[in-house]
Amino acid sequence: EAQVTQNPRYLITVTGKKLTVTCSQNMNHEYMSWYRQDPGLGLRQIYYSMNVEVTDKGDVPEGYKVSRKEKRNFPLILESPSPNQTSLYFCASSFVGRSALPLSNTEAFFGQGTRLTVV
Amino acid sequence: KQEVTQIPAALSVPEGENLVLNCSFTDSAIYNLQWFRQDPGKGLTSLLLIQSSQREQTSGRLNASLDKSSGRSTLYIAASQPGDSATYLCAVFDRGSTLGRLYFGRGTQLTVWP
Repeated sequence: EAQVTQNPRYLITVTGKKLTVTCSQNMNHEYMSWYRQDPGLGLRQIYYSMNVEVTDKGDVPEGYKVSRKEKRNFPLILESPSPNQTSLYFCASSFVGRSALPLSNTEAFFGQGTRLTVV
Repeated sequence: KQEVTQIPAALSVPEGENLVLNCSFTDSAIYNLQWFRQDPGKGLTSLLLIQSSQREQTSGRLNASLDKSSGRSTLYIAASQPGDSATYLCAVFDRGSTLGRLYFGRGTQLTVWP
């Protein structure tokens, strides 16, 4: 089954304690990205990756790091979490990528979300 | 940079009505437009995907249209049911100045009452 898997689904942590949210996809997608969703602000992109070892900042990258060492995984790292990073996080993947032109199916698949609370 | 707007922000209707949700975007250089459904506190469920070369997609009671040149899409829901209550999001995959970025609207919160 085609899927994007995020872990953990729920996490409560304290300010300053480094954490990693994992994201893995089994569709051989080139493109992966992270979003956060906050009430009244909608979904905002944090980072995205067009392929292995290629990452770019989205709209709200401050306080986050990512890496793309292999195609299937795209972890989100919070080196020193703060309460303003309390949010619902989503990982997504798609075939869209710089080498994917011309395109066929470019549907974006999303993980189930990670609800993070930083106290 | 794309700006995606959804109108209305909220909609409350009785069961059985036919609905139209609107989505507009500012740059016609897109790979596709995708409609999602989200239940409170849950993940995103993909409803329909329209490639940039397509005009319309249908799935059951849902029909989505795309007019790329005018930067508009509509999601039509026929014979609405209480189970349709959710937030509906549209997203465009940019192929313009911000290649590879996925931009979301803020959603239309739909309530269908019995």
